[in-house]
Amino acid sequence: GAVVSQHPSRVICKSGTSVKIECRSLDFQATTMFWYRQFPKQSLMLMATSNEGSKATYEQGVEKDKFLINHASLTLSTLTVTSAHPEDSSFYICSATDSRVPEETQYFGPGTRLLVL
Amino acid sequence: AQSVTQLDSQVPVFEEAPVELRCNYSSSVSVYLFWYVQYPNQGLQLLLKYLSGSTLVKGINGFEAEFNKSQTSFHLRKPSVHISDTAEYFCAVSLGGFKTIFGAGTRLFVKA
Repeated sequence: GAVVSQHPSRVICKSGTSVKIECRSLDFQATTMFWYRQFPKQSLMLMATSNEGSKATYEQGVEKDKFLINHASLTLSTLTVTSAHPEDSSFYICSATDSRVPEETQYFGPGTRLLVL
Repeated sequence: AQSVTQLDSQVPVFEEAPVELRCNYSSSVSVYLFWYVQYPNQGLQLLLKYLSGSTLVKGINGFEAEFNKSQTSFHLRKPSVHISDTAEYFCAVSLGGFKTIFGAGTRLFVKA
């Protein structure tokens, strides 16, 4: 099956620093990638949708200047949390899909645990 | 707007017993339906999906779900659970184009 990786799996940073999270599709071309945020014991909240080669579409309430998304190739999307603060601590999950394959299936990465001190 | 309601936040069950995790959705148009499983500190794994056709969908790990359009439900079932099935289960809907709305999740806890 399709595999999606995320790096790093866990990151601890100081308040005010920026953190970059990578999402890679390992064996297929991801025309679309999604970034989700999950708080403890809660569901996934979609943050943004990114299509290769174009600007990401952010959900209402998500600060695009705070959460920078780049989808420069068909196998890589990055999420950069700029000037991170403790309230940004969360579990971030990406998913990838090939919109040219009409199966409506997203393949999820293993997630990145961010802790901002 | 679409919404997904998972009626039980937690479901405790003994090993080898059957289980049903309930999911209801709301939508004015046709949707695609999914069940995902999440183990601690991991991403989501697709259990099964309903796109069209037969309303009874079989998935991995012995799970199945039935799409009931009149009741707008997509309940997940397994006839005999194992300890290893302990996890968080998410029901989700999509209108197509992959944008997906997730339910709040149901914690399945299998006891020995």
